Formats: sequence, C-alpha cells, structure tokens
Amino acid sequence: GNSVTQMEGPVTLSEEAFLTINCTYTATGYPSLFWYVQYPGEGLQLLLKATKADDKGSNKGFEATYRKETTSFHLEKGSVQVSDSAVYFCALTRIQGAQKLVFGQGTRLTINP
Amino acid sequence: GAVVSQHPSWVICKSGTSVKIECRSLDFQATTMFWYRQFPKQSLMLMATSNEGSKATYEQGVEKDKFLINHASLTLSTLTVTSAHPEDSSFYICSARQLKTSGSSYNEQFFGPGTRLTVL
Repeated sequence: GNSVTQMEGPVTLSEEAFLTINCTYTATGYPSLFWYVQYPGEGLQLLLKATKADDKGSNKGFEATYRKETTSFHLEKGSVQVSDSAVYFCALTRIQGAQKLVFGQGTRLTINP
Repeated sequence: GAVVSQHPSWVICKSGTSVKIECRSLDFQATTMFWYRQFPKQSLMLMATSNEGSKATYEQGVEKDKFLINHASLTLSTLTVTSAHPEDSSFYICSARQLKTSGSSYNEQFFGPGTRLTVL
C-alpha cells in the first residue's frame, strides 16, 4: 500500500539556519506529493506540491523536488525564520479516484531567535 | 478564502455518552469532506470520506456504527462518536474539497483546525 515516512522530530534550529526535513514514500504508480504545514491552533495548509518526477514545488522560500529514483520529496529552506515554527507533514495522493491523502507522521520544527 | 471551521475545538465527556463534531466550509461549497483522526506524535489517519447527500465511505477498520457521519448540506458535515470510550480520545480533523472539475488535476483539500476529544 501507499505510505509516507518523515524524519522524526522535533527539530530545533536557530534563525537563518538551513533546514532539511526528509520524506520518503512508497506508492504504486505515480503519486502526487505534498508538504502541508500546521501552525499552532490552525488547520493544515498546503505549502507546496509536485505532481510528477523531477518537478520542484516551491512556496515561501521552501522547496522540495520529486525524486522518483530515490522515492523522496525532502523539504528544504535556505534560511529559516521564527515564524516558520510549525508542524510539517509530507503527504501523497493519486490524482485519479477519490484523491485520498496519505500523510507522514509530521515533524515539529522550532526556530529560536 | 477557503476556510473550514470545526466546532467544538475541544470537548470532554463521560464514557458512554455521544459527542457530535461539526465541520463547516465557510466560503465555498464542499461536495466532499474527509474525516481524519490523529494520535499524539502520529500521522493523520483517514477515517471516512463523505459526499454531500450520500452515505459516507469508511476506511478499513473504522466502525461506521461507532463514528456516524452526516453530510446533509454542501457546507456542513458532522461526525458523531457514539457511546464514547477512553480509547476514542483523540484529535479529530476534517477537510473539505470543492467539486472536482477535472480528472487530471488535484483538487485541494482545506483543513479545519481540529477537535480534541477527551473521554473520561
């Protein structure tokens, strides 16, 4: 079946540090891949997505590249800010059908000033 | 735009009672709503998919008589946890999606902030 594995948190960094959150997946066919972010007290928000191999999703300084050969979709940001503190979820779905999302376990990120 | 609300945000109840959680799409019509459950430090697990005006489709292992889902309008879905027990304590999250307009594109789900249920 389909599954997503993220690096375990929590992750704590200083402001302006480089961020990587690893995500690998197992899926049949060619899923679409996503990163969602959940800020304290809020619902999950779509951060970025990629729908085919070698696509790069980007938003708010975050990037992730769909790597089919390594079945990965690692999230990166060159210089994090305190406001990036949140829980990040990697997810996948098939475009066909019900488009059910399969989530990783989430990674809590804390950025210290 | 695309705001989804949940009510209540948290609830504490006694074992054996039933609890209803509401999920509303505030500024769009949601033909499909999803209900998830999240345990501490674990991922969101899809419980069921509901389409407006029809019966919900439950994921394997989810008891449909335990978790009653109603999606009677395009802006409201409810999840009722019947005869709740301590093991039902969890964080319940809903999401809503607009009408699917194309078979080749992803139709974004918009998530509510979640409801924390504690059963004593």
